[in-house]
Amino acid sequence: NAGVMQNPRHLVRRRGQEARLRCSPMKGHSHVYWYRQLPEEGLKFMVYLQKENIIDESGMPKERFSAEFPKEGPSILRIQQVVRGDSAAYFCASSPGRNEQFFGPGTRLTVL
Amino acid sequence: DQQVKQNSPSLSVQEGRISILNCDYTNSMFDYFLWYKKYPAEGPTFLISISSIKDKNEDGRFTVFLNKSAKHLSLHIVPSQPGDSAVYFCAASDRVDMRFGAGTRLTVKP
Repeated sequence: NAGVMQNPRHLVRRRGQEARLRCSPMKGHSHVYWYRQLPEEGLKFMVYLQKENIIDESGMPKERFSAEFPKEGPSILRIQQVVRGDSAAYFCASSPGRNEQFFGPGTRLTVL
Repeated sequence: DQQVKQNSPSLSVQEGRISILNCDYTNSMFDYFLWYKKYPAEGPTFLISISSIKDKNEDGRFTVFLNKSAKHLSLHIVPSQPGDSAVYFCAASDRVDMRFGAGTRLTVKP
Protein backbone atom coordinates (compact mmCIF):
# COMPACT_ATOMS: atom_id res chain seq x y z
CA ASN A 1 0.00 0.00 0.00
CA ALA A 2 1.78 3.09 -1.24
CA GLY A 3 1.88 6.08 1.05
CA VAL A 4 0.70 9.56 0.28
CA MET A 5 2.30 10.73 -2.95
CA GLN A 6 3.08 14.32 -3.76
CA ASN A 7 4.50 15.72 -6.94
CA PRO A 8 6.53 17.46 -7.88
CA ARG A 9 8.91 17.28 -4.94
CA HIS A 10 10.49 20.56 -5.96
CA LEU A 11 8.90 23.31 -8.00
CA VAL A 12 10.48 26.55 -9.13
CA ARG A 13 8.32 29.34 -10.44
CA ARG A 14 8.90 32.96 -11.37
CA ARG A 15 6.75 35.65 -9.85
CA GLY A 16 3.39 35.85 -11.57
CA GLN A 17 3.35 32.24 -12.77
CA GLU A 18 1.00 29.54 -11.58
CA ALA A 19 1.96 26.65 -9.33
CA ARG A 20 0.09 23.35 -9.29
CA LEU A 21 0.81 20.89 -6.52
CA ARG A 22 -0.57 17.37 -6.67
CA CYS A 23 -1.42 14.94 -3.92
CA SER A 24 -2.52 11.34 -4.26
CA PRO A 25 -3.90 10.06 -0.95
CA MET A 26 -3.36 6.60 0.39
CA LYS A 27 -5.64 3.95 -1.04
CA GLY A 28 -8.96 3.98 0.71
CA HIS A 29 -8.49 7.44 2.20
CA SER A 30 -11.18 9.94 1.33
CA HIS A 31 -9.97 12.84 3.49
CA VAL A 32 -7.21 15.14 2.25
CA TYR A 33 -5.55 18.03 4.04
CA TRP A 34 -3.08 20.61 2.84
CA TYR A 35 -0.57 22.32 5.12
CA ARG A 36 2.08 24.93 4.53
CA GLN A 37 5.35 25.19 6.37
CA LEU A 38 7.16 28.48 6.00
CA PRO A 39 10.89 28.58 6.77
CA GLU A 40 11.52 28.27 10.51
CA GLU A 41 7.80 27.92 11.23
CA GLY A 42 5.43 25.08 12.05
CA LEU A 43 2.72 23.46 9.99
CA LYS A 44 -0.15 25.77 9.12
CA PHE A 45 -3.45 24.21 8.18
CA MET A 46 -4.76 25.39 4.84
CA VAL A 47 -7.68 23.29 3.67
CA TYR A 48 -9.52 20.04 4.34
CA LEU A 49 -11.28 18.28 1.49
CA GLN A 50 -13.28 15.16 0.88
CA LYS A 51 -14.08 13.86 -2.58
CA GLU A 52 -15.59 16.75 -4.61
CA ASN A 53 -16.15 18.81 -1.46
CA ILE A 54 -14.25 21.48 0.42
CA ILE A 55 -15.01 20.89 4.08
CA ASP A 56 -12.87 23.55 5.73
CA GLU A 57 -10.84 26.20 3.94
CA SER A 58 -10.35 28.49 6.90
CA GLY A 59 -6.57 28.40 6.49
CA MET A 60 -6.49 29.29 2.81
CA PRO A 61 -5.49 32.80 1.76
CA LYS A 62 -8.54 34.50 0.30
CA GLU A 63 -6.91 35.28 -3.02
CA ARG A 64 -4.83 33.32 -5.52
CA PHE A 65 -5.12 29.98 -3.68
CA SER A 66 -7.57 27.22 -4.51
CA ALA A 67 -7.85 23.49 -3.91
CA GLU A 68 -9.85 20.66 -5.30
CA PHE A 69 -10.23 16.93 -4.78
CA PRO A 70 -12.10 15.58 -7.78
CA LYS A 71 -13.96 12.31 -7.94
CA GLU A 72 -11.14 10.86 -9.99
CA GLY A 73 -7.51 11.80 -9.74
CA PRO A 74 -5.33 13.56 -7.23
CA SER A 75 -6.06 16.55 -5.09
CA ILE A 76 -4.66 19.77 -6.55
CA LEU A 77 -3.49 22.85 -4.69
CA ARG A 78 -3.30 25.72 -7.14
CA ILE A 79 -1.54 29.01 -6.53
CA GLN A 80 -2.05 31.69 -9.14
CA GLN A 81 0.29 34.61 -9.74
CA VAL A 82 2.84 33.38 -7.23
CA VAL A 83 4.83 35.82 -5.13
CA ARG A 84 8.09 35.32 -3.24
CA GLY A 85 6.18 34.94 0.03
CA ASP A 86 4.56 31.77 -1.33
CA SER A 87 7.93 30.00 -1.15
CA ALA A 88 7.43 27.22 1.37
CA ALA A 89 7.06 23.49 1.81
CA TYR A 90 3.52 22.33 1.11
CA PHE A 91 2.47 19.08 2.74
CA CYS A 92 -0.52 16.96 1.93
CA ALA A 93 -1.97 14.45 4.37
CA SER A 94 -4.71 11.88 4.01
CA SER A 95 -6.77 9.92 6.47
CA PRO A 96 -9.57 7.38 6.39
CA GLY A 97 -11.44 9.40 8.99
CA ARG A 98 -10.83 12.27 11.34
CA ASN A 99 -7.99 10.97 13.43
CA GLU A 100 -4.48 10.05 12.41
CA GLN A 101 -3.23 11.72 9.26
CA PHE A 102 -0.57 10.29 7.01
CA PHE A 103 1.67 12.84 5.40
CA GLY A 104 3.29 12.94 2.02
CA PRO A 105 6.92 13.97 1.52
CA GLY A 106 5.95 17.53 0.61
CA THR A 107 6.49 19.85 -2.33
CA ARG A 108 9.06 22.56 -1.89
CA LEU A 109 8.00 25.62 -3.84
CA THR A 110 10.58 28.26 -4.64
CA VAL A 111 9.46 31.51 -6.22
CA LEU A 112 12.21 33.44 -7.94
CA ASP B 1 -5.57 32.22 16.48
CA GLN B 2 -3.19 29.57 17.78
CA GLN B 3 -5.27 26.86 19.36
CA VAL B 4 -2.29 24.57 19.86
CA LYS B 5 0.93 25.97 21.24
CA GLN B 6 4.38 24.56 21.66
CA ASN B 7 6.20 27.27 23.54
CA SER B 8 9.67 25.79 23.31
CA PRO B 9 11.04 26.07 19.79
CA SER B 10 14.02 23.93 20.66
CA LEU B 11 15.26 21.44 23.24
CA SER B 12 18.68 19.85 23.68
CA VAL B 13 19.30 16.77 25.82
CA GLN B 14 22.10 14.31 26.38
CA GLU B 15 21.84 10.80 25.00
CA GLY B 16 20.31 8.45 27.56
CA ARG B 17 18.48 11.19 29.44
CA ILE B 18 14.79 12.00 29.30
CA SER B 19 13.33 14.40 26.72
CA ILE B 20 10.13 16.17 27.68
CA LEU B 21 8.24 18.09 25.02
CA ASN B 22 5.27 20.19 26.03
CA CYS B 23 2.10 21.30 24.31
CA ASP B 24 -0.82 23.47 25.41
CA TYR B 25 -4.21 23.87 23.78
CA THR B 26 -7.08 26.29 24.23
CA ASN B 27 -10.06 24.57 22.62
CA SER B 28 -11.90 22.42 25.16
CA MET B 29 -13.62 20.58 22.31
CA PHE B 30 -10.37 18.85 21.36
CA ASP B 31 -10.64 15.21 22.40
CA TYR B 32 -7.87 13.46 20.49
CA PHE B 33 -4.22 14.39 20.58
CA LEU B 34 -1.28 13.27 18.50
CA TRP B 35 2.45 13.71 18.24
CA TYR B 36 4.24 13.74 14.91
CA LYS B 37 7.95 13.58 14.23
CA LYS B 38 9.54 15.29 11.25
CA TYR B 39 12.98 14.89 9.75
CA PRO B 40 14.35 17.50 7.31
CA ALA B 41 13.02 17.18 3.75
CA GLU B 42 10.45 14.59 4.80
CA GLY B 43 6.79 14.74 5.72
CA PRO B 44 5.73 14.40 9.37
CA THR B 45 5.20 10.84 10.57
CA PHE B 46 2.79 9.78 13.24
CA LEU B 47 4.39 8.88 16.54
CA ILE B 48 1.81 8.39 19.27
CA SER B 49 -1.69 9.52 20.17
CA ILE B 50 -4.01 9.76 23.15
CA SER B 51 -7.74 10.04 23.52
CA SER B 52 -9.25 12.40 26.07
CA ILE B 53 -10.65 9.47 28.04
CA LYS B 54 -7.09 8.56 29.03
CA ASP B 55 -4.38 10.47 30.82
CA LYS B 56 -1.43 8.37 29.68
CA ASN B 57 -0.44 6.30 26.68
CA GLU B 58 2.83 4.45 26.40
CA ASP B 59 4.59 2.95 23.39
CA GLY B 60 8.11 1.75 23.99
CA ARG B 61 10.35 4.70 24.80
CA PHE B 62 7.55 7.18 24.11
CA THR B 63 4.87 8.17 26.61
CA VAL B 64 2.24 10.86 26.17
CA PHE B 65 0.58 12.42 29.21
CA LEU B 66 -2.65 14.39 29.04
CA ASN B 67 -3.86 16.83 31.69
CA LYS B 68 -7.32 17.87 30.56
CA SER B 69 -7.95 20.35 33.35
CA ALA B 70 -4.77 22.20 32.45
CA LYS B 71 -5.27 21.66 28.71
CA HIS B 72 -1.73 20.40 28.57
CA LEU B 73 -0.03 17.38 27.11
CA SER B 74 3.54 16.25 27.08
CA LEU B 75 5.67 13.71 25.26
CA HIS B 76 8.35 11.89 27.21
CA ILE B 77 11.14 10.08 25.44
CA VAL B 78 13.32 7.92 27.61
CA PRO B 79 16.06 7.07 27.08
CA SER B 80 16.70 9.65 24.36
CA GLN B 81 18.78 8.56 21.39
CA PRO B 82 20.61 10.62 18.74
CA GLY B 83 18.18 9.27 16.13
CA ASP B 84 15.36 11.00 17.99
CA SER B 85 16.75 14.35 16.86
CA ALA B 86 13.93 15.85 14.79
CA VAL B 87 11.12 18.39 14.96
CA TYR B 88 8.15 17.20 17.01
CA PHE B 89 4.68 18.53 16.29
CA CYS B 90 1.79 18.30 18.68
CA ALA B 91 -1.68 18.08 17.11
CA ALA B 92 -5.20 18.23 18.53
CA SER B 93 -8.48 17.18 16.98
CA ASP B 94 -12.15 17.73 17.82
CA ARG B 95 -13.21 15.16 15.18
CA VAL B 96 -13.94 18.04 12.83
CA ASP B 97 -10.65 19.87 12.65
CA MET B 98 -7.07 19.11 13.50
CA ARG B 99 -4.63 21.81 14.46
CA PHE B 100 -0.88 21.60 14.81
CA GLY B 101 1.56 23.38 17.06
CA ALA B 102 4.58 25.19 15.68
CA GLY B 103 6.91 22.33 16.58
CA THR B 104 9.85 21.79 18.92
CA ARG B 105 13.24 20.92 17.50
CA LEU B 106 14.80 18.21 19.65
CA THR B 107 18.54 17.65 19.52
CA VAL B 108 19.93 14.61 21.31
CA LYS B 109 23.68 14.88 21.82
CA PRO B 110 25.81 11.73 21.91
